[in-house]
Amino acid sequence: SYELTQPPSVSVSPGQTVSISCSGDKLGDKYACWYQQKPGQSPVLVIYQDTKRPSGIPERFSGSTSGNTATLTISGTQAMDEGDFYCQAWDSNTVVFGGGTKLTVL
Amino acid sequence: EVQLVESGGGLVNPGGSLRLSCAASGFIFSGSRMNWVRQAPGKGLEWVSSISPSSTYIYYADSMKGRFTISRDNAKNSLYLQMNGLRADDTAVYYCARIPGSVAAQNWYFDLWGRGTLVTVSS
Repeated sequence: SYELTQPPSVSVSPGQTVSISCSGDKLGDKYACWYQQKPGQSPVLVIYQDTKRPSGIPERFSGSTSGNTATLTISGTQAMDEGDFYCQAWDSNTVVFGGGTKLTVL
Repeated sequence: EVQLVESGGGLVNPGGSLRLSCAASGFIFSGSRMNWVRQAPGKGLEWVSSISPSSTYIYYADSMKGRFTISRDNAKNSLYLQMNGLRADDTAVYYCARIPGSVAAQNWYFDLWGRGTLVTVSS
């Protein structure tokens, strides 16, 4: 079965830029999206179709892809950005999530 | 208001059954592919199942095949998940989630989520 791999955790200082990676076999041939989940809340879509931002998502969130890796970048990180981030892709009529990355804003 | 509201969760014995419901409002339910996604306590997201707008195309995660059945009633703007043969590792919050109607298969993503309903499988 298809797998997406994310780092378990990343940390960043307020105001700095942080990137979260998501790797998978031939991920560059698929579309990736990203969700943010804060404690006790439902996931929220922050990036879809590799690079697109839904309405209402701050411009500091951006997505990119290169080869077999999709990357979520948060510029000028704020304390409110803390939470868990999940990448997701489609493969053979199934949906696959990465294991999640816990973002800590120190 | 555009929203999804799940219900039907609770405590069930191992081997038991439970039927979850998801009530949709504020959008054209019959035009959207709908899904169930679950999250075990302290764990990540796991996709469960997906159903096309007309119920023609239905897919399941391998670990749920044969035990779970997804269905929908477009007249009632409702999505369902029948869960049989429940096991302790099925304990999770179950979310209802929407894929936008205009999205091609290779580009599935969930733009609307409910708040979830907790299913606990324990004796």
